[in-house]
Amino acid sequence: EPEVTQTPSHQVTQMGQEVILRCVPISNHLYFYWYRQILGQKVEFLVSFYNNEISEKSEIFDDQFSVERPDGSNFTLKIRSTKLEDSAMYFCASSELGVTSGGDTDTQYFGPGTRLTVL
Amino acid sequence: SQQGEEDPQALSIQEGENATMNCSYKTSINNLQWYRQNSGRGLVHLILIRSNEREKHSGRLRVTLDTSKKSSSLLITASRAADTASYFCATDAFNAGGTSYGKLTFGQGTILTVHP
Repeated sequence: EPEVTQTPSHQVTQMGQEVILRCVPISNHLYFYWYRQILGQKVEFLVSFYNNEISEKSEIFDDQFSVERPDGSNFTLKIRSTKLEDSAMYFCASSELGVTSGGDTDTQYFGPGTRLTVL
Repeated sequence: SQQGEEDPQALSIQEGENATMNCSYKTSINNLQWYRQNSGRGLVHLILIRSNEREKHSGRLRVTLDTSKKSSSLLITASRAADTASYFCATDAFNAGGTSYGKLTFGQGTILTVHP
């Protein structure tokens, strides 16, 4: 069964450094998302992406964050200057469609996550 | 309360018993999705129920949706020790313009422990 994959599984970085988290969505999916989960807290939406554009972003997704689909398979989240409070598990997700008139093609499938630790 | 709140926060049962988890939300939704998360791991999609559906089944899972009460429930029948995990509901709500871009809002989750 196709899966969303993420690399690395764990990233440790120093405060102020740039990090790039990578995701490979399911191949026929058109909508891509990033979420994060700070330890012990809710999963929070960061951004949705379709047709090489951001569809929606949350207040968390400020100028320090950016997303890119550099080729036909990868979807990346970049944090330009990491802060201690960016430490979290970051999940990538993808869906076949964003909204559907039938079937469950807007089901979001999540990757295993990248645990980011900022020291 | 916030969008997508689960109840109870923790549930402890014996293997073979049924487990029921509830979720409440506040705004109009396109769909509601249930996920499972084993400790420190990724989110596994369980089931999606659309706003015009009232009940949906998948194996030992039964999900109901009451849009008039803005609530959903997840029933796991004949539970197994392997069902031990956190369970989250996530709502895909329409924005002010009546559009959905797939932004899921998650609740805090219910921690289910199934004792062998």
